[in-house]
Formats: sequence, C-alpha cells, structure tokens
Amino acid sequence: KQEVTQIPAALSVPEGENLVLNCSFTDSAIYNLQWFRQDPGKGLTSLLLIQSSQREQTSGRLNASLDKSSGRSTLYIAASQPGDSATYLCAVSLSSGSARQLTFGSGTQLTVLP
Amino acid sequence: GAGVSQTPSNKVTEKGKYVELRCDPISGHTALYWYRQSLGQGPEFLIYFQGTGAADDSGLPNDRFFAVRPEGSVSTLKIQRTERGDSAVYLCASSRDRGSGQFFGPGTRLTVL
Repeated sequence: KQEVTQIPAALSVPEGENLVLNCSFTDSAIYNLQWFRQDPGKGLTSLLLIQSSQREQTSGRLNASLDKSSGRSTLYIAASQPGDSATYLCAVSLSSGSARQLTFGSGTQLTVLP
Repeated sequence: GAGVSQTPSNKVTEKGKYVELRCDPISGHTALYWYRQSLGQGPEFLIYFQGTGAADDSGLPNDRFFAVRPEGSVSTLKIQRTERGDSAVYLCASSRDRGSGQFFGPGTRLTVL
C-alpha cells in the first residue's frame, strides 16, 4: 500500500526566505505526482504536476523535483511571501490499477511571517 | 464550467439520517473522483468514475456509502444512516482522463450530530 509522508508537518519562516518542503513515498511505481495548496476551509489548488518520466516542473517561484527511484519529491518556494501561507499537500498516483487515484500526505502547514 | 463545483458547501444532519452530496465537474472531464478529508489529514480516496460507471469503489468505507454519475457529468455521493464518524469534508475532483492532473472542488463539510 502506497504511503506518503511529508516533513516537516509545520514550518514558519520570515518573508523573503527560500524554503523546501519534502515529500516521500514508499512505492516508486508511480504514474505522476502533484503538489497542491490548501487554504483554511477551502478546497485544493493544483500547483504542479510531474509525470513519472520527468525530473522537475517549474511555475513562477515554485519548483518541484522528483526522484522516483528514491521515492522523494521536493517543493522549492523562492522569495516566500505572506500570501504563500497555506497547507501544502503532496499526492501520488500509482501506475498500476485503473483509477489513478491520488494518495496524499498529511501536508506541511506553512506560515510566512511579514 | 470554470471549475469543479460542489453543493451544499455545508451540511449538518442528525445521526441516522440520509444525505446526498453533489459534484459538478469541469465540462468535458471524463474522470471523476470522490475523496474524504478529516481534520489535519490529507484527502483519502473513496470512488472513481470513468464516464457513467463506477470503475473503482475500493475506497468506500462500507455499504452505507454509494455514488452515482448517471449521465457521465454530475455525480451524487449518497450516505445512508449517517454516523458521527462520517463527519468530514467530502471533496470531488475531475480530470480530463484518468492519467491527467486532478482539479478539486471546494468541498462539502458534513457534520453529523
């Protein structure tokens, strides 16, 4: 059974810092990996999608990397801003099975202090 | 539509009652997923539809839970004889096909008293 772990569970940084969020998964036979952002009481906003054949994806100040063989992904946020404060969730889908459903980590709660 | 929509946004019910939660996916998306999120946890998979059929319902916790998607678009998650442990946020997601990125709705917060 796929298990996804995110470390740290919570992180507080001053505005302007660069930071890295970590995600690890136990089954390396993944189809893709997605990073999401969730604001309190809201749904999930997709940030980046990395296919299993890719090593990284970039969008603005965000960069996500994937090392499938070691079961790890990182989300790098450059020049953090208070508006980046949210919970960040990592999710993977397996290459086996028909559904390609996502298995999520418990998230990293990020607070960027002004 | 512009995004995935879910109704109601909040539902409070009494133990033992029946509830229906609705999901309207992005137009043209053939894959539809239901997830359940408890406080402080990531969402957990419930059921997957490809078109009209439930292709994978392995995440449904028991037979009190059922979902339909009769015309391949809107889906309804149905919970019979609700229990306090069913209280959670129910999230719906859709994707262009089963291998594409998933887009989530705002969720329905279900509270069973």
